[in-house]
Amino acid sequence: QLQLQESGPGLVKPSETLSLICLVSDGSISTSSDYWGWIRQSPGKGLEYIGTIYYSGSTYYNPSLKSRVTISVDTSKNQFSLKLTSVTAADTAVYYCARFIRWFGGNMDVWGRGTTVAVSS
Amino acid sequence: QSVLTQPPSVSAAPGQKVTISCSGSTSNIGSNYVSWYQQLPGTAPKPLIYDNDKRPSGIPDRFSGSKSGTSATLGITGLQTGDEADYFCATWDVNLNTVIFGGGTKVAVL
Repeated sequence: QLQLQESGPGLVKPSETLSLICLVSDGSISTSSDYWGWIRQSPGKGLEYIGTIYYSGSTYYNPSLKSRVTISVDTSKNQFSLKLTSVTAADTAVYYCARFIRWFGGNMDVWGRGTTVAVSS
Repeated sequence: QSVLTQPPSVSAAPGQKVTISCSGSTSNIGSNYVSWYQQLPGTAPKPLIYDNDKRPSGIPDRFSGSKSGTSATLGITGLQTGDEADYFCATWDVNLNTVIFGGGTKVAVL
């Protein structure tokens, strides 16, 4: 059964770059019908969509975060990653990676367990 | 404040039924599929319903989804203590060009 696992630093300093990796196991990231992405959850803002990537490298980002977000894929390692630049305390959240059923849609059928990232000096 | 409006909480006795509403607009629920997620404390959201009314394999038929116009509803029958969790709706918004989520509804089993 497909599993996703997030990893990365749990603490990032303000103005620096948040970097996370999502490892896909028991399945291939290169499956033509699948899309991969990131979602975060904070007490203040609830669940927030960050962006989606296809194994070919095509991406789509939430317009509200687009200027700071980069999502990339490494098919040889069966993983994809998130970079969020110029972070502030407002970026403190639990970050989830997920598999999306559609390129444009809110249907995520497999989720990672999430990783907590705090932005603090 | 979420684009999709859910009641903050609902409650019922064990064995009873609860319904959770998710109210949106023509730019989101009115024109796209809705999905529902259950989030137990300290865990990741778990898919319950996709494409308005379909259940992933392994989800009991106590959980049901429906959509009418610009609103969607999640129903839970035969309420169990293990159903105590937060429930979220989600869909795509064609004006905001992003996935949007409801603010979440906490279900309490009395």
